[in-house]
Amino acid sequence: ETGVTQSPTHLIKTRGQQVTLRCSSQSGHNTVSWYQQALGQGPQFIFQYYREEENGRGNFPPRFSGLQFPNYSSELNVNALELDDSALYLCASSWVFPSGRGDAGDTQYFGPGTRLTVL
Amino acid sequence: DQQVKQNSPSLSVQEGRISILNCDYTNSMFDYFLWYKKYPAEGPTFLISISSIKDKNEDGRFTVFLNKSAKHLSLHIVPSQPGDSAVYFCAAYDRGYQKVTFGIGTKLQVIP
Repeated sequence: ETGVTQSPTHLIKTRGQQVTLRCSSQSGHNTVSWYQQALGQGPQFIFQYYREEENGRGNFPPRFSGLQFPNYSSELNVNALELDDSALYLCASSWVFPSGRGDAGDTQYFGPGTRLTVL
Repeated sequence: DQQVKQNSPSLSVQEGRISILNCDYTNSMFDYFLWYKKYPAEGPTFLISISSIKDKNEDGRFTVFLNKSAKHLSLHIVPSQPGDSAVYFCAAYDRGYQKVTFGIGTKLQVIP
C-alpha cells in the first residue's frame, strides 16, 4: 500500500506566474482534499475532489483551481500568484462512499506537502 | 474568523507526566472532532477522534474529552514521551461535506 505523495517538494515562483502542484492518492482512496498551511497557521481547506468533480470549497478565490483524474490523482493550479500564496500545500486522500458522504475526517491521509515560495 | 481555537502556542512537559492540550470551537454544526500530530517536513497524521455524541474517547496513552456545552475539547497524553514532541492540531469536521477546519496548533515539547 503506497501512501499519499506530492510533487514537487519545493518550488519557487515569482508574482504573477502560474503553478501546478501534484498529488497521488493512497491506493484505494477516491477523494482528494487540498489545504494551504501558511507559516504559524493551521491547514486551511481549499477544496475537495470526488469522482473528478469539486465536492466542496473553502474561502479561496477562483484563481485556485483543481483537477482529479480517473486514477484519483489530483492537481492544484494557482494562477496569478501573489506573495501571500507562499505556504505549505497539503494534499489529503480519503475514501468516500458512493452516496457521496464519507466517513469522518480521520480517514484523511496527508502527504508531506509542497513548499511554495512566491517572490 | 477562527472557528477552531488553540490558545496555547506551546507546551513543555516532563517525560512521564501528563500533557493536556486544549481546543475551543465556535461552530455548533461541527459534529466530529479530531486531533492530528505533525512532525517537521511531514504531513499531519491522524491521532484520535471523537463524535459529538460522546464525551470521551480513549486510545492507549491518548484520551480526548469533549464538553459540548462549553464547546471545548482536550487531548490528554499519559504518560508523555519524548517522541510525542510535535505540533498538535485540533480539527473539527462538518458532515455537510468533508471539510475539516483546523486550529493553528500547539507545539508540545516533552523533556527527557
